[in-house]
Amino acid sequence: AQSVTQLDSQVPVFEEAPVELRCNYSSSVSVYLFWYVQYPNQGLQLLLKYLSGSTLVESINGFEAEFNKSQTSFHLRKPSVHISDTAEYFCAVSEIYSGGGADGLTFGKGTHLIIQP
Amino acid sequence: DADVTQTPRNRITKTGKRIMLECSQTKGHDRMYWYRQDPGLGLRLIYYSFDVKDINKGEISDGYSVSRQAQAKFSLSLESAIPNQTALYFCATRGGGLNTGELFFGEGSRLTVL
Repeated sequence: AQSVTQLDSQVPVFEEAPVELRCNYSSSVSVYLFWYVQYPNQGLQLLLKYLSGSTLVESINGFEAEFNKSQTSFHLRKPSVHISDTAEYFCAVSEIYSGGGADGLTFGKGTHLIIQP
Repeated sequence: DADVTQTPRNRITKTGKRIMLECSQTKGHDRMYWYRQDPGLGLRLIYYSFDVKDINKGEISDGYSVSRQAQAKFSLSLESAIPNQTALYFCATRGGGLNTGELFFGEGSRLTVL
């Protein structure tokens, strides 16, 4: 069975500074990888996903994540954060069946990104 | 309108009461899920359903039951609520077949049990 570890429960960072939110996963088969974001008092929204191809994936609001198979990691980065990025970020993994489809998601425990002015 | 709708959005109840949280979706997805979110614990799977005739227990099903009334509707019940069931509950859906596992979430139902 797969598992996801988000190494930091909380990350404070100053506005306009870079940030990295760490995510490692464990699985015996190939996986799809996701980052979801939860803004205060809202549900979860997909931020970005890795399915195949280029190991670097980007979101429309400046976040990027890189799939590293050898290190089983999918860390999320942004070169310059804004107050509006304050949210909870969840890393998630989905194992790929031999037939090509995928099972449901297993989530990490989340990282609270706190942007300080 | 939201693709995945949860009702109620907020509910305060007392220990021992029966509570039902409802979820409906317009995405046409076969698979529906109920998750529970607690601070520091992330999301934990309560129950999931692959179609109307298929119900499966998740990681933390004790104290909960579900009903899949139609492809588009999946409700979660607490037969006798207790305070440690105070949490934020999310319904989610995804397509079947050759899909990526991506889930689509409702906006959550915040339940407080006094």
